[in-house]
Amino acid sequence: GENVEQHPSTLSVQEGDSAVIKCTYSDSASNYFPWYKQELGKRPQLIIDIRSNVGEKKDQRIAVTLNKTAKHFSLHITETQPEDSAVYFCAASKGNQGGKLIFGQGTELSVKP
Amino acid sequence: GAVVSQHPSWVICKSGTSVKIECRSLDFQATTMFWYRQFPKQSLMLMATSNEGSKATYEQGVEKDKFLINHASLTLSTLTVTSAHPEDSSFYICSAGGVTSFREQYFGPGTRLTVT
Repeated sequence: GENVEQHPSTLSVQEGDSAVIKCTYSDSASNYFPWYKQELGKRPQLIIDIRSNVGEKKDQRIAVTLNKTAKHFSLHITETQPEDSAVYFCAASKGNQGGKLIFGQGTELSVKP
Repeated sequence: GAVVSQHPSWVICKSGTSVKIECRSLDFQATTMFWYRQFPKQSLMLMATSNEGSKATYEQGVEKDKFLINHASLTLSTLTVTSAHPEDSSFYICSAGGVTSFREQYFGPGTRLTVT
């Protein structure tokens, strides 16, 4: 079945620096790749997503890139702020499975002031 | 828009009892709902996919007789943990797929289950 690998598991940066989180997926039929931010005890919040017909998408300080050939996608956060500290999850899904999401293992991001 | 609620937000039960968790889409009709389980410091693991009016599809390794899922309407799905044991203690999160986008999901706030 589909597998999503996420690295690193923890990431510590100084405020203002950039943070990059990477994911690889196994099923070449996957066509939707969302990123979620989860704070302790709360629901995952969608922060950005990308579909397979696009290579890059940006929303203010957050960007996602997709390399379909290599089957990997990355989250880039620029000018990090302490409130960016949380656990980030990547996920992948195929359209023919009704939106079933397979999640990566998560990255705990810590932004130090 | 696209609000999903869960009830209860937390529950403590004794070993051997059953617990029902409700997931509701408040302002849209959800053709598909998903149930996830998340242990501390771990990822979300999909338990099952439910479609309104049909039987749920369980992921490998998830006991369908222990985790009963009912999706009786386009706005309500329930998960019943039967004969709960301490190892079932976890954070259970539902999500709903909207009719306008079969890929985007809207997550509920989660239910913290503690089995003593």
